[in-house]
Amino acid sequence: AQKITQTQPGMFVQEKEAVTLDCTYDTSDPSYGLFWYKQPSSGEMIFLIYQGSYDQQNATEGRYSLNFQKARKSANLVISASQLGDSAMYFCAMREVPISGNTPLVFGKGTRLSVIA
Amino acid sequence: DTGVSQNPRHKITKRGQNVTFRCDPISEHNRLYWYRQTLGQGPEFLTYFQNEAQLEKSRLLSDRFSAERPKGSFSTLEIQRTEQGDSAMYLCASNMIPRESKGAIYFGEGSWLTVV
Repeated sequence: AQKITQTQPGMFVQEKEAVTLDCTYDTSDPSYGLFWYKQPSSGEMIFLIYQGSYDQQNATEGRYSLNFQKARKSANLVISASQLGDSAMYFCAMREVPISGNTPLVFGKGTRLSVIA
Repeated sequence: DTGVSQNPRHKITKRGQNVTFRCDPISEHNRLYWYRQTLGQGPEFLTYFQNEAQLEKSRLLSDRFSAERPKGSFSTLEIQRTEQGDSAMYLCASNMIPRESKGAIYFGEGSWLTVV
C-alpha cells in the first residue's frame, strides 16, 4: 500500500503568490515524522521542513509552512511569496518510528512546481 | 562543512558491465543511505549503514547489487551485470543519529546511470 500520496503531478503559481502542495499519508504508527524535500533540476534533494506527529503546532521555516491535519492524515506544504527559484520537484516523505528503531524515509511521487513571472 | 559528495555524476555503460558508485557523506555522519530514483518517481530506499554495519536492505536490492562502507566513512554501491532496468539516479544521503533528532537525511547530487 502506498504510504505517501501526492495527487498533484504539476502545479503553476504566479511569482509572489502563495501555493499549497498536497500530501496525504498512511500509517498505523502513532509516532512518525513528516518531511518535505525540494529537488531542483540539478538533482540534489534539499531538506525543507519537518513535522513530528506529536508536535502541537504546525512547522514553519521561513517561507515554508506545513499545514498538518492529523485526523485527515494530511501534511500540505505551503510556500508563501513564491520566487522563480522555487521552480522544482517537491517530495513529501514519512518516517515511521516503531519501537524496534528508526525506519528509512519513504517518499511520494512528487509534485512539479513551476513559478511564472 | 562540505555536503554529501557522489561520483561519478554520470555513467553510461553497456548492458552486462559492472559499475561502481562512490559516496562520501558529511563528515562525522554515522548513518549513510542509498536510494534509487527513476523518472517520474520519488526516491526508493535501497539500504543503509550505521558506521560500517549494513543495518537494512530493501527487497529492491537484488543479488546483483552490493554496498559496502568498510571504514565507516565513504561507501560504494556496485551493480554487477547491469540491465537496462537499472538505469536510474542513485542517491546517497547521510545523517548523524541521535544528534539529528528530526531524522532528516541530507542528500548528495546523485549519480545518473544509463545502461545501453
